[in-house]
Amino acid sequence: GAGVSQSPSNKVTEKGKDVELRCDPISGHTALYWYRQRLGQGLEFLIYFQGNSAPDKSGLPSDRFSAERTGESVSTLTIQRTQQEDSAVYLCASSQYGPREQYFGPGTRLTVT
Amino acid sequence: QKEVEQDPGPLSVPEGAIVSLNCTYSNSAFQYFMWYRQYSRKGPELLMYTYSSGNKEDGRFTAQVDKSSKYISLFIRDSQPSDSATYLCAMSENQGGKLIFGQGTELSVKP
Repeated sequence: GAGVSQSPSNKVTEKGKDVELRCDPISGHTALYWYRQRLGQGLEFLIYFQGNSAPDKSGLPSDRFSAERTGESVSTLTIQRTQQEDSAVYLCASSQYGPREQYFGPGTRLTVT
Repeated sequence: QKEVEQDPGPLSVPEGAIVSLNCTYSNSAFQYFMWYRQYSRKGPELLMYTYSSGNKEDGRFTAQVDKSSKYISLFIRDSQPSDSATYLCAMSENQGGKLIFGQGTELSVKP
């Protein structure tokens, strides 16, 4: 079956512009996670959705970052007024049975010029 | 201080060598420990998963967790050039929760 997909695969934007990143999880997966990976670094947790529960937003670095998820389907991560330090790969993962089953998408490489 | 520390390497070994990768952590509430492998420009893929302390073996890979020392290891036996990748340790306090990752160790296995 299809894995986690993300779009776009690459995004170049000017500083100050807003961007939207999309994640399509594996069908039937109730949990969805967003992570950020800066060059040469590990993954940094951003936000986590589980079913109809309130999302865990504890990793969002500033109020410029927000994410939405409709039901158990697509999620979008929005970054407003992008800054150069937002340049990174944004990875989405989905899971049905907890952290050991997190399946990652290929990521969106965001470059802010 | 980061919650999870991992030597970034890079680590270069000859084919057939035994590789040891390690992470230390500070949060004693971590119970779930994972190792992910990430090829260049790809998403991480789960290699090994361990709950609490102990060892787990899967083919050429062995994961060890020592909660008393807050130290986890991944051993790769008979390393192959195809093992060349970045290896990330990850930990979680509970199932379904967020993962806290180490920085990743870049491994190169030379033929």
